[in-house]
Amino acid sequence: EVQLVESGGGLVKPGGSLRLSCAASGFTFSSYSMNWVRQAPGKGLEWVSSISSSSSYIYYADSVKGRFTISRDNAKNSLYLQMNSLRAEDTAVYYCARICRAGVVGAPDAFDIWGQGTMVTVSS
Amino acid sequence: DIQMTQSPSSVSASVGDRVTITCRASQGISSWLAWYQQKPGKAPKLLIYAASSLQSGVPSRFSGSGSGTDFTLTISSLQPEDFATYYCQQANSFPLGFGQGTKLEIK
Repeated sequence: EVQLVESGGGLVKPGGSLRLSCAASGFTFSSYSMNWVRQAPGKGLEWVSSISSSSSYIYYADSVKGRFTISRDNAKNSLYLQMNSLRAEDTAVYYCARICRAGVVGAPDAFDIWGQGTMVTVSS
Repeated sequence: DIQMTQSPSSVSASVGDRVTITCRASQGISSWLAWYQQKPGKAPKLLIYAASSLQSGVPSRFSGSGSGTDFTLTISSLQPEDFATYYCQQANSFPLGFGQGTKLEIK
């Protein structure tokens, strides 16, 4: 079964750090670009970051640039999001999501597989 | 950055109705548009990609059309399980962006 499972969410104080993980299974992880998308409580979807299959191309939303770092370990079938200098407005459910076409390098597309999400709460 | 605007923000309809949701991009995105369905507490589900291609396993009552800046998602005959929030997403260029969502409610 194709699956993405996020972990690492929790409660953190403003200015703090958190590292999210996404474990992939059921497909050739190293062939796909991967993404993080977040959703604040009661709000819409916001794309956060994208990383190509070999980590050659990395993109960030302006709202997180300079504070968040996306990375992946293809040997471990895992995607990561290091979040530093967290703010209250970063409070959201964070989803990892797979680009729907294998072998696409550095190009955007739709997201066909999503994890269940992990909640990040930034509050004092 | 490309802005995505959906309309309406919410719509009430009955089982069996035909419903159309529109999405407008602030600049041309060819056919690089996707539609998602999201139910409360769940991850989004891909319905349509490349503006009109039906994702595997999605019922044929869902269809998408459009290119350039104007797109539509149509549900031909609403079923009880279709009541949810729908989002469009431009897949043309980074930064990627979603519409604000359309909540489809039972009349």
